[in-house]
Amino acid sequence: AQKVTQAQTEISVVEKEDVTLDCVYETRDTTYYLFWYKQPPSGELVFLIRRNSFDEQNEISGRYSWNFQKSTSSFNFTITASQVVDSAVYFCALSAEYGNKLVFGAGTILRVKS
Amino acid sequence: GAVVSQHPSRVICKSGTSVKIECRSLDFQATTMFWYRQFPKQSLMLMATSNEGSKATYEQGVEKDKFLINHASLTLSTLTVTSAHPEDSSFYICSAKGGIYEQYFGPGTRLTVT
Repeated sequence: AQKVTQAQTEISVVEKEDVTLDCVYETRDTTYYLFWYKQPPSGELVFLIRRNSFDEQNEISGRYSWNFQKSTSSFNFTITASQVVDSAVYFCALSAEYGNKLVFGAGTILRVKS
Repeated sequence: GAVVSQHPSRVICKSGTSVKIECRSLDFQATTMFWYRQFPKQSLMLMATSNEGSKATYEQGVEKDKFLINHASLTLSTLTVTSAHPEDSSFYICSAKGGIYEQYFGPGTRLTVT
């Protein structure tokens, strides 16, 4: 069975602080895909990143960066110099096949205060 | 990028009535669509996988007679909540998969049953 754990229910930071959102996953598949989505108050999911199990390279996109470590089954997400607009619920998700059904973590509420 | 729409975005209905939610892929053909449900302050849970021209596959615990799914064309899937009750009030999100590509999420439909 597949499982995604986001242990941080809610995080509050002050603008310009860096923040890391943790994600730990469980799967028996050798090929799998990991995702991060942002869900602002409007409810619509915003795709942030996809990573396959064979690519452990870390990725940076602007203020966002992701650290994928298979040894610890973790796929953590860091926002550098956080902004109020980053306030949202962030979900980590896992799928066994690319484009197949997703298993979501419980989500982490991020509140960035000015 | 790929666009998925949902209609309606919000619906309020009386207990005992049925409600139909549409999910459309606007600029690509989706062989598979997924229906998720999200209760307030909770994660997304997959309800069913809908394949064009065949019966939907429901996740364990989801009543197929209550949540009717029809995927009659490569661009449209519908979810009908039959004899809705207040406990069915939720945020319903669809996603569409085109070929081998990743899932594209719709904006969601907020259902309130009074």
